[in-house]
Amino acid sequence: DAGITQSPRHKVTETGTPVTLRCHQTENHRYMYWYRQDPGHGLRLIHYSYGVKDTDKGEVSDGYSVSRSKTEDFLLTLESATSSQTSVYFCAISEGSGVGKNIQYFGAGTRLSVL
Amino acid sequence: AQKVTQAQTEISVVEKEDVTLDCVYETRDTTYYLFWYKQPPSGELVFLIRRNSFDEQNEISGRYSWNFQKSTSSFNFTITASQVVDSAVYFCALNPNRDDKIIFGKGTRLHILP
Repeated sequence: DAGITQSPRHKVTETGTPVTLRCHQTENHRYMYWYRQDPGHGLRLIHYSYGVKDTDKGEVSDGYSVSRSKTEDFLLTLESATSSQTSVYFCAISEGSGVGKNIQYFGAGTRLSVL
Repeated sequence: AQKVTQAQTEISVVEKEDVTLDCVYETRDTTYYLFWYKQPPSGELVFLIRRNSFDEQNEISGRYSWNFQKSTSSFNFTITASQVVDSAVYFCALNPNRDDKIIFGKGTRLHILP
């Protein structure tokens, strides 16, 4: 199994509070991704990183920010949580793009409830 | 447009029946990769298979088989002699060449009834 740890695994928070989710990997993979999973929408990309301090937006990035100060850690921050951000959040890693490198491996997920 | 369509939202079959999950994709690229992932009730996402666009050979792994047809832009997944443990949500996904991102379909929830 790929060494990916998401923390916390569960969180309940109130509307308007900031929340940070952490993804930690031990594989030294270059790419890291944050997705959210909601019923009827499948997996949607929030942000991703292609190296330390290198990040880019996905399709549902509004209301989220990310940071990657070390290869092994990718943080997702909800600046001011809203009820629409209640979801299951998955982190994924891959070595890169192209042959042999573009398989994404996923963490166990974080279930976030915003009340 | 780059897109993955899994038209079957939910399927139920009785154990030991064969079942095929459909996946249709759209891409402008001639080089691309296709994937299937499994998400069992425990919630984790498990990688099953990756194919590249130049390899149209069907693949079989135990009870699982995959049929890749570029002519119809499809990458279908068949489970033979289904078992209750196959109950899960299955995602098909597309990675266009030179793209850092994978595009996921919305998934098909498969129920295998005992």
